[in-house]
Amino acid sequence: GENVEQHPSTLSVQEGDSAVIKCTYSDSASNYFPWYKQELGKGPQLIIDIRSNVGEKKDQRIAVTLNKTAKHFSLHITETQPEDSAVYFCAARSYSGAGSYQLTFGKGTKLSVIP
Amino acid sequence: DAEITQSPRHKITETGRQVTLACHQTWNHNNMFWYRQDLGHGLRLIHYSYGVQDTNKGEVSDGYSVSRSNTEDLPLTLESAASSQTSVYFCASKLDRTAGELFFGEGSRLTVL
Repeated sequence: GENVEQHPSTLSVQEGDSAVIKCTYSDSASNYFPWYKQELGKGPQLIIDIRSNVGEKKDQRIAVTLNKTAKHFSLHITETQPEDSAVYFCAARSYSGAGSYQLTFGKGTKLSVIP
Repeated sequence: DAEITQSPRHKITETGRQVTLACHQTWNHNNMFWYRQDLGHGLRLIHYSYGVQDTNKGEVSDGYSVSRSNTEDLPLTLESAASSQTSVYFCASKLDRTAGELFFGEGSRLTVL
């Protein structure tokens, strides 16, 4: 099955600096890579995603890049703000048999933005 | 607004007891999922359903069961709770089986003593 590794597990940045979270995946057939943000006491929420036919996608201060050859993808947050503090999860979607596609999640990165 | 709700939000139980966590969504999504979240493990899939009367095992299904009698609800049952099942449980749903956004509930924290 798919295996997703996520680094770092914790990340502290000064407000206004950039933050980068990296993930690698094992199944070369995986074709969809979402990123979820989980605030304290809440469920994860989708913030950005990218499909395998695209190399980069940007939405205001956040961007995701995908390198299919190396099987890794990254989340970039620029001009970080205190409200960006949360746990971020990457995921990869792969075929798991019998017409089923499943997301495999990384273990999460706790981002702290220091005012 | 459509939403996904879980209950109870917090529960403490004893080893060996049966526990059921409820999940209700008002989006009319066919696809529903249960995950558990543990420190150092991220989110792991327990069971999922693609529609009424359809249930499937995920990565960590041992000791858990689900049933799908209608579109809106996917209750998760722990037949005989074990301390290893102490965790935060998230229900999720989505419209499309193969693509699209996964919407999560706010979680149910279960402690098994």
